[in-house]
Amino acid sequence: DGGITQSPKYLFRKEGQNVTLSCEQNLNHDAMYWYRQDPGQGLRLIYYSQIVNDFQKGDIAEGYSVSREKKESFPLTVTSAQKNPTAFYLCASSVDRGRIQPQHFGDGTRLSIL
Amino acid sequence: QQPVQSPQAVILREGEDAVINCSSSKALYSVHWYRQKHGEAPVFLMILLKGGEQKGHEKISASFNEKKQQSSLYLTASQLSYSGTYFCGITNNAGNMLTFGGGTRLMVKP
Repeated sequence: DGGITQSPKYLFRKEGQNVTLSCEQNLNHDAMYWYRQDPGQGLRLIYYSQIVNDFQKGDIAEGYSVSREKKESFPLTVTSAQKNPTAFYLCASSVDRGRIQPQHFGDGTRLSIL
Repeated sequence: QQPVQSPQAVILREGEDAVINCSSSKALYSVHWYRQKHGEAPVFLMILLKGGEQKGHEKISASFNEKKQQSSLYLTASQLSYSGTYFCGITNNAGNMLTFGGGTRLMVKP
């Protein structure tokens, strides 16, 4: 079955530490996205990528970094510069860029500060 | 700019109807609707592309009023499984960058 796999499900970060959240899709989708969700809030776009080796900042990119070296993978690094990283992180993908398509979501990673 | 959803929360009895609104201050190109159960990923419900278009998904349908820059989600004869948080996501152009509203929490009681 095709889908989006996020790992780990739960992650704890120490002060001053960078952590990387994994997102892999086998849907053959071109576009991938990272969202942050705080309790009781909507989804806010961190970064998105419409094609391999290219990505753009979303609304809240500060303190985060991404890479897109392979079509199926879009890892997110939460750096020590992100002072309030505790949140639910969702990865999504859609068929291609520039067209209106549904976004398919992974099951998310819950990040907390130790 | 983030669309505004109303109401923020609603409690229904099984079989009752509900309407959730999503309003934008800018012209809309498309509106997406998703439902999220607690602690889970959002699940796609439908996309509306044209002004005045209405789409349906079982007993859940939606309208898109281009002039009012607004979309409404209609849940009829609600079931327990409809409980969750409903999000609208909007685009202002042909791209697929969604801006999500703050969500509407729906609880259906027996």
